[in-house]
Amino acid sequence: DTAVSQTPKYLVTQMGNDKSIKCEQNLGHDTMYWYKQDSKKFLKIMFSYNNKELIINETVPNRFSPKSPDKAHLNLHINSLELGDSAVYFCASSNGEKLFFGSGTQLSVL
Amino acid sequence: GENVEQHPSTLSVQEGDSAVIKCTYSDSASNYFPWYKQELGKRPQLIIDIRSNVGEKKDQRIAVTLNKTAKHFSLHITETQPEDSAVYFCAPKGGAGSARQLTFGSGTQLTVLP
Repeated sequence: DTAVSQTPKYLVTQMGNDKSIKCEQNLGHDTMYWYKQDSKKFLKIMFSYNNKELIINETVPNRFSPKSPDKAHLNLHINSLELGDSAVYFCASSNGEKLFFGSGTQLSVL
Repeated sequence: GENVEQHPSTLSVQEGDSAVIKCTYSDSASNYFPWYKQELGKRPQLIIDIRSNVGEKKDQRIAVTLNKTAKHFSLHITETQPEDSAVYFCAPKGGAGSARQLTFGSGTQLTVLP
């Protein structure tokens, strides 16, 4: 019944590795997002997709690549992980203004 | 893009007292003003929002007030309880072009002391 679900919840990995985070929403929303929350709790938008099309791409290193196979899924692939990528990554969806967030993925790069 | 400032960054109140958090934004075309609450280790969740044609909105112990002229809006929590302890974010929505997205403030850590 979870509206926005993302996996994994925790991800611990070495520098230089490639990893993916998956997100799915069952709300029928047209728009999905990825947000990054750093250790100081700043929430910063990374990407936004509307009906599988990229509409927002903030200043994010091109090591981060979102993929939306359909409008219910928005996955995030990260290449060559760096220490500074450690953060909590939130997926979200909306059909207007209200955002529904997933439970977050705590990424730790060692 | 939208510049958003949120104050204070931390706020401690005694249980039963009121708390007020203020958010200032830069885009005069902003038309939607939500507040999100994030409990420790949890996801942010919308608690109240207001649109630009309304000056105030209440929902039980929480309220939001908007001053469009001064470009700020505030979250008011009355009769605070320990479960109100969380980080609160404002997230005004810009009015046009690529700014038509929510821009989150830096957050306010509210601690309600029993």
